[in-house]
Amino acid sequence: AQTVTQSQPEMSVQEAETVTLSCTYDTSENNYYLFWYKQPPSRQMILVIRQEAYKQQNATENRFSVNFQKAAKSFSLKISDSQLGDTAMYFCAFMDLTGGSEKLVFGKGTKLTVNP
Amino acid sequence: NAGVMQNPRHLVRRRGQEARLRCSPMKGHSHVYWYRQLPEEGLKFMVYLQKENIIDESGMPKERFSAEFPKEGPSILRIQQVVRGDSAAYFCASCQARRMNTEAFFGQGTRLTVV
Repeated sequence: AQTVTQSQPEMSVQEAETVTLSCTYDTSENNYYLFWYKQPPSRQMILVIRQEAYKQQNATENRFSVNFQKAAKSFSLKISDSQLGDTAMYFCAFMDLTGGSEKLVFGKGTKLTVNP
Repeated sequence: NAGVMQNPRHLVRRRGQEARLRCSPMKGHSHVYWYRQLPEEGLKFMVYLQKENIIDESGMPKERFSAEFPKEGPSILRIQQVVRGDSAAYFCASCQARRMNTEAFFGQGTRLTVV
């Protein structure tokens, strides 16, 4: 079974600085997707960024970028120029495309606090 | 285009009662996923449904839990004879025709509290 591990339960960063959230995963499959979701206090799950495993180029979305290391099964999220609105829980998620149902497997999350 | 709508947002039930959670997918979406989030945990898959069909219920507890997605109306997650351990946030996500890999649209969740 696939597993996703987020080793940092909590992190904090000063406004305007950069922070990196770690994620590792375990799978024997070769074809999959990886995601980072943000969950603010409203509880809404918001997609931040996604990465297709067959693409070597790291995905970027404005201030958010990933460092995808397929051999190491690592998928970290870098947030540049942190803003107060980035304060939230961040979940790393894995999707296996071979199973048929394309369900997501989530890590336990990292609570990020951006300090003014 | 309204997003994924879940209701109620908060639900309180006494032990032994039934809980019904509703999820209206985004317009044009015919696939619904249900996830459960226990306190201090990530979301865990429960069930995947298409209209009138259960595709994957491998994450659903064998007893007391059921789900449906009728031809008309919202998807329903039903928990019979609730116990304290059922207290959690329940999220649904919808997509078009198994395109979860492109983007998953989540609702805001229903927080179930069993007293």
